[in-house]
Amino acid sequence: AQKITQTQPGMFVQEKEAVTLDCTYDTSDQSYGLFWYKQPSSGEMIFLIYQGSYDEQNATEGRYSLNFQKARKSANLVISASQLGDSAMYFCAMREGNSGGAQKLVFGQGTRLTINP
Amino acid sequence: DSGVTQTPKHLITATGQRVTLRCSPRSGDLSVYWYQQSLDQGLQFLIQYYNGEERAKGNILERFSAQQFPDLHSELNLSSLELGDSALYFCASSVSPGTRDNEQFFGPGTRLTVL
Repeated sequence: AQKITQTQPGMFVQEKEAVTLDCTYDTSDQSYGLFWYKQPSSGEMIFLIYQGSYDEQNATEGRYSLNFQKARKSANLVISASQLGDSAMYFCAMREGNSGGAQKLVFGQGTRLTINP
Repeated sequence: DSGVTQTPKHLITATGQRVTLRCSPRSGDLSVYWYQQSLDQGLQFLIQYYNGEERAKGNILERFSAQQFPDLHSELNLSSLELGDSALYFCASSVSPGTRDNEQFFGPGTRLTVL
């Protein structure tokens, strides 16, 4: 069974600093995908970044980058130059292999990030 | 705005009642997913439909059922509601399962409160 672990329930960071949110995963699949979503207080789920298990390069999307270490089964999210608007809940998720087109996401418990001015 | 719409936004009902949550996927997306987010269980996958057919099932209770219609919108039916069913219910959609980086776009959610 798949499992996603986010060990940081909450993090507090000063504005403009970089922050790393931890995510480790457990799967026996060779093909999988890793996602990060942001959930602000308004409740919607916002896609941030994706990393495929066969991707050799770490994914980047603007200020977001994913530090993918396959051997350690970790997929940490790095936010550079944090902003007040980055304060939110962040979820790491994994998609299992494409068995018959089934594509459920398994989510971690989330990390609540607070950016201080 | 993800392009996925969900109605209603809020729903307050009593125990034992039945409700229907509705989702319209992004234009062109064939796959619809339902997730439940509660304080004690976190975000959990309920069920996936692809082009009208059930494709994957997660931790969905027998009191819950879903379907996807020919116009691709989906409904999640929750019956014999219990206090513990109070949660935020998300619908997500994606283009097609089987593609490599099949991002799921989430709707704004329906917040269900069972009193």
